[in-house]
Amino acid sequence: GAVVSQHPSWVICKSGTSVKIECRSLDFQATTMFWYRQFPKQSLMLMATSNEGSKATYEQGVEKDKFLINHASLTLSTLTVTSAHPEDSSFYICSARLTGNSNQPQHFGDGTRLSIL
Amino acid sequence: AQSVTQLDSHVSVSEGTPVLLRCNYSSSYSPSLFWYVQHPNKGLQLLLKYTSAATLVKGINGFEAEFKKSETSFHLTKPSAHMSDAAEYFCVVRPSGGYNKLIFGAGTRLAVHP
Repeated sequence: GAVVSQHPSWVICKSGTSVKIECRSLDFQATTMFWYRQFPKQSLMLMATSNEGSKATYEQGVEKDKFLINHASLTLSTLTVTSAHPEDSSFYICSARLTGNSNQPQHFGDGTRLSIL
Repeated sequence: AQSVTQLDSHVSVSEGTPVLLRCNYSSSYSPSLFWYVQHPNKGLQLLLKYTSAATLVKGINGFEAEFKKSETSFHLTKPSAHMSDAAEYFCVVRPSGGYNKLIFGAGTRLAVHP
């Protein structure tokens, strides 16, 4: 149980395009999902907390207009990297926590490797 | 401020020998502690968690960790390493009352040699 699916797993696109990444909780409902960024050989950095039916909460230094988050249902959150540039290339990972139990651990997707040419 | 320190960036062991990955934390109150494993180009998989119950926590794949409040440590151990254990391991703290924010250690890369 507690499976989180992330799609796509790998994206290569040209500079200036927008890229949408989906994060789905397959067998549970998640009021709250999280988006992380991971640079090579480094730890995870929390970008934002995605709340179903409301605006996301962004961490300091993360551009809201650059990284658009939508959490329209209890099983789906999307991250859109707008007008992507090479410096946005990274590994993006989402996680989700069971609704109604804030003491539960976060369950992570397999990540999306984004490469901007 | 809360923080997590993984004392070794790289650990190398031979297959069949014990594994010890060290983690120290700093937290004002009783935190929840986790160990996650990450295989290449994959997300994080939960190995085990401590949430103020038994101090010795058993996880998946034969891993266990002991919460020692006096030493502010949560070291991860396994009696006998397998080749498949080679991966990146993250010690993670969730401060008391901080249900959203996870604080990640820098990670320890475990190599297992035949």
